[in-house]
Amino acid sequence: GAVVSQHPSRVICKSGTSVKIECRSLDFQATTMFWYRQFPKKSLMLMATSNEGSKATYEQGVEKDKFLINHASLTLSTLTVTSAHPEDSSFYICSVQLAGSYEQYFGPGTRLTVT
Amino acid sequence: QKEVEQDPGPLSVPEGAIVSLNCTYSNSAFQYFMWYRQYSRKGPELLMYTYSSGNKEDGRFTAQVDKSSKYISLFIRDSQPSDSATYLCAMSYNTDKLIFGTGTRLQVFP
Repeated sequence: GAVVSQHPSRVICKSGTSVKIECRSLDFQATTMFWYRQFPKKSLMLMATSNEGSKATYEQGVEKDKFLINHASLTLSTLTVTSAHPEDSSFYICSVQLAGSYEQYFGPGTRLTVT
Repeated sequence: QKEVEQDPGPLSVPEGAIVSLNCTYSNSAFQYFMWYRQYSRKGPELLMYTYSSGNKEDGRFTAQVDKSSKYISLFIRDSQPSDSATYLCAMSYNTDKLIFGTGTRLQVFP
């Protein structure tokens, strides 16, 4: 499988500020990465599909101007939560997909708390 | 009706028991089926990956897919306290997207 890291593992920010979360594929080049959000005791909700060198594809109901995704290299995708509000507090998880497969390998997640 | 249904549990079993975890789905187009294990406050870890119908075994874990019944299962033999986690089923139909179940919380007590 693939090894995926996320940074930071947890972050606390004030309402109105922006927060950037990094997702790195450590042992292979990922043309496709995914960003999920997970609420306590709930399943993963896909937010967007991030493709290297092109614009991300957002799921219905996810504000692309609020959740900025950049996939500038084959090993790094970033999610920036802009003008964060307390309701953005959640567990954000990224995943990478092996080329030619439907398997996804997940990062350890980032817990965001907006005060 | 949700595309993927999974009993949230919790399922509590004694150490050494055989555990059966299940998901049902409504879309017959699903072809790829996965089981993930997620420990508290961690990302999901891929356990099993199967294509179409049939069984797949890996150590103490066996995944079964019954496409005629739209039903998938994960069996854990000789369950251990370290197996205590939330188990998520996920499936895909020839797209990049995975559709997840809500997860079943498993507790294995010594």
